[in-house]
Amino acid sequence: DVKVTQSSRYLVKRTGEKVFLECVQDMDHENMFWYRQDPGLGLRLIYFSYDVKMKEKGDIPEGYSVSREKKERFSLILESASTNQTSMYLCASRAGSPPGEQFFGPGTRLTVL
Amino acid sequence: AQSVTQLGSHVSVSEGALVLLRCNYSSSVPPYLFWYVQYPNQGLQLLLKYTSAATLVKGINGFEAEFKKSETSFHLTKPSAHMSDAAEYFCAVTARGGATNKLIFGTGTLLAVQP
Repeated sequence: DVKVTQSSRYLVKRTGEKVFLECVQDMDHENMFWYRQDPGLGLRLIYFSYDVKMKEKGDIPEGYSVSREKKERFSLILESASTNQTSMYLCASRAGSPPGEQFFGPGTRLTVL
Repeated sequence: AQSVTQLGSHVSVSEGALVLLRCNYSSSVPPYLFWYVQYPNQGLQLLLKYTSAATLVKGINGFEAEFKKSETSFHLTKPSAHMSDAAEYFCAVTARGGATNKLIFGTGTLLAVQP
């Protein structure tokens, strides 16, 4: 059974903290994605990676960075968390090109105080 | 550039009634289209996708969607709603060709099913 796991379901951090969100997939997928989900805005792509050590900016990369040192792991980093980064963060992976299915993790609900 | 518009952020139906969730897309070339479902406290799960093989696409849990090029629509339907269908539904579009093509999501429609 395919699986995308995220390190935390709920996370509370303080403004200015450095935050790491981890995502691991066990399907040997080349492509991995980080989205942010906010009510009324749907899912917005932050960053994606189509290979180890490769990354591309999505639609809202400001305030975020990513790391992909191993194929199965894709990390989202908030260098200095701010309250406007309070959101649900979803990781996904996909094999090959569209129209391949993206498989999603359960999400991390991050609250920045 | 691709985009999708989902009409109605909230839809409420009675159990056993028809479910109709609307999605219109914008694309200069025929795209790939998807419907994803998100149950409470879970990630997204693929319901169905259109890849041009057939305009009427059947998905899981009794859902289907019809691609209508003339109307630039890809509406999701289910003949008879079940309580377990209560969830948020997202339409998404991506261009053909290219591993780096992004999936563009609509803003979502929250479906409530009344007993």
